[in-house]
Amino acid sequence: NAGVMQNPRHLVRRRGQEARLRCSPMKGHSHVYWYRQLPEEGLKFMVYLQKENIIDESGMPKERFSAEFPKEGPSILRIQQVVRGDSAAYFCASSSGGTGEYEAFFGQGTRLTVV
Amino acid sequence: AQSVSQHNHHVILSEAASLELGCNYSYGGTVNLFWYVQYPGQHLQLLLKYFSGDPLVKGIKGFEAEFIKSKFSFNLRKPSVQWSDTAEYFCAVYTGGFKTIFGAGTRLFVKA
Repeated sequence: NAGVMQNPRHLVRRRGQEARLRCSPMKGHSHVYWYRQLPEEGLKFMVYLQKENIIDESGMPKERFSAEFPKEGPSILRIQQVVRGDSAAYFCASSSGGTGEYEAFFGQGTRLTVV
Repeated sequence: AQSVSQHNHHVILSEAASLELGCNYSYGGTVNLFWYVQYPGQHLQLLLKYFSGDPLVKGIKGFEAEFIKSKFSFNLRKPSVQWSDTAEYFCAVYTGGFKTIFGAGTRLFVKA
């Protein structure tokens, strides 16, 4: 039973390019969460999605960031026109129900470096 | 605003020393509490969780945590640490709604 799979593990982008981060939840999980980890700041919630729906995107920057979780395929976090400040580790988690009531399983993260 | 505070960002211990990592949260209602661990190069794993019942919670690998409601605290403890416990530890709080709030993390380094 594969865990939460994120790819790529490491991503380097030049300023102004687009970054696409993928997350395949655990089998049977329909709830996906994206978190950003900055040094010394812990994990910051970005967005919570269920299949084909964005439930809570209160942690997403208003511009350049978007997320989707289509009916088929992985969840995608897209960052357009990346800037140096976007450099961080991005973690995806999935659960079988809403967070806080069901254990969330995390992927290994994608480390984005903007040069 | 709801928040989670972890008092120490970095902790260095020798093997066999006792460990206590502090975690306080700001929320007056019912909470679910978690401790996660992230070993170097790996993903976050759940160590233990508290939803209700006995406030002393036993987790994996000899870890335990005590929920003290009056102090809004959920400190993590281990009587005797090992070199393999070197990792980053995150306290997390669920207060309802859709998201769990994480603390900034504590990096533990255990000297062999």
